[in-house]
Amino acid sequence: GAVVSQHPSRVICKSGTSVKIECRSLDFQATTMFWYRQFPKQSLMLMATSNEGSKATYEQGVEKDKFLINHASLTLSTLTVTSAHPEDSSFYICSARRSGGLGETQYFGPGTRLLVL
Amino acid sequence: AQTVTQSQPEMSVQEAETVTLSCTYDTSENNYYLFWYKQPPSRQMILVIRQEAYKQQNATENRFSVNFQKAAKSFSLKISDSQLGDTAMYFCAYSAGNNRKLIWGLGTSLAVNP
Repeated sequence: GAVVSQHPSRVICKSGTSVKIECRSLDFQATTMFWYRQFPKQSLMLMATSNEGSKATYEQGVEKDKFLINHASLTLSTLTVTSAHPEDSSFYICSARRSGGLGETQYFGPGTRLLVL
Repeated sequence: AQTVTQSQPEMSVQEAETVTLSCTYDTSENNYYLFWYKQPPSRQMILVIRQEAYKQQNATENRFSVNFQKAAKSFSLKISDSQLGDTAMYFCAYSAGNNRKLIWGLGTSLAVNP
């Protein structure tokens, strides 16, 4: 299998606080993980590519100081939304690219619903 | 630039019937991968099927099969014997190059009716 977990599944926080979301590949190693944001009834918007042991690569228009990404091991990447504001409320999804074999396939976590009050 | 186009925003099909979702893409690459992902109401993104561009044989996974036309840059998904659990948003996606980022279509919302 290729299972990716994401925690928490949903979080409600006050404006100005920081929120950390974890993404783990449970049964395979992932040198590359991806973070997406999805608005209702829309496609996925890639925010950044997370590479194990190096700095993340952010897409144009995504503030790297706002969305901190750490890929500390081959099975864990974290996304921290710093000083969250209501406009950061969204559905955040991570994916992990499986190394070797089916290396061209991304497997997705179940997503995190973030609501900033 | 690579693009993925899904021209059918919404579709519906009766249970047990067959439905085909269309996808076209644009690329100048020769080696690339194509995917269909399914996103049910739970919002979990699930891989349905993948196709490697260098393989001429169309991929199949149980009731799901693709019609891959490389020259026409077309990659349609056929769902046979549709089931209620197939109700979902279906996304076509493409990846190539060193970074292997996925380029997504806008999706097709499929409703399977009893």
